[in-house]
Amino acid sequence: AAGVIQSPRHLIKEKRETATLKCYPIPRHDTVYWYQQGPGQDPQFLISFYEKMQSDKGSIPDRFSAQQFSDYHSELNMSSLELGDSALYFCASSIGAGASTDTQYFGPGTRLTVL
Amino acid sequence: GNSVTQMEGPVTLSEEAFLTINCTYTATGYPSLFWYVQYPGEGLQLLLKATKADDKGSNKGFEATYRKETTSFHLEKGSVQVSDSAVYFCALTPRGTGFQKLVFGTGTRLLVSP
Repeated sequence: AAGVIQSPRHLIKEKRETATLKCYPIPRHDTVYWYQQGPGQDPQFLISFYEKMQSDKGSIPDRFSAQQFSDYHSELNMSSLELGDSALYFCASSIGAGASTDTQYFGPGTRLTVL
Repeated sequence: GNSVTQMEGPVTLSEEAFLTINCTYTATGYPSLFWYVQYPGEGLQLLLKATKADDKGSNKGFEATYRKETTSFHLEKGSVQVSDSAVYFCALTPRGTGFQKLVFGTGTRLLVSP
């Protein structure tokens, strides 16, 4: 079965650089979530989109922005990178309008290292 | 607010031992409850879920029952294997209007030795 695709899988950047992470949801899934997992920590919700509109926002820094495109893929743009942004970034997708009973399916993650 | 509390790890077991990982939650209303597993170097995989009280989720020999009276969703497996070594996350999505993001516990690392 098709899964959530994330690219790149690994990314190394210098401080103050920018990074773009991409997420391709499971076909027919219209809701996308972004989570950040720091070393040894649990995933923290950043932002979500439904039908190309932002649906919810969590602890996402102002330096980060995201959008969902007409083909439902999503991109997370990160600017002025800081050392503390080094983390595993997960994208998850689900079908439907984000009800609590929906299952979110996760991609393999993008490991971002900021030097 | 909504939160999930898991037992601290690591949990170290021998192969074929019985596993219990405790999980309790705090939430307004009746959330949906999930267990996700993260194998080394990989992403999060859904292990099982339950969406209402007394539901039992099960998969790959793992089970968890939604206990409203004790606000718990403990994960159990009768006989663990070395391949079960991973980090296990208990999570919830609150019930209500709007888009329900996952709230995770801190994760419990399971180490199974031959």
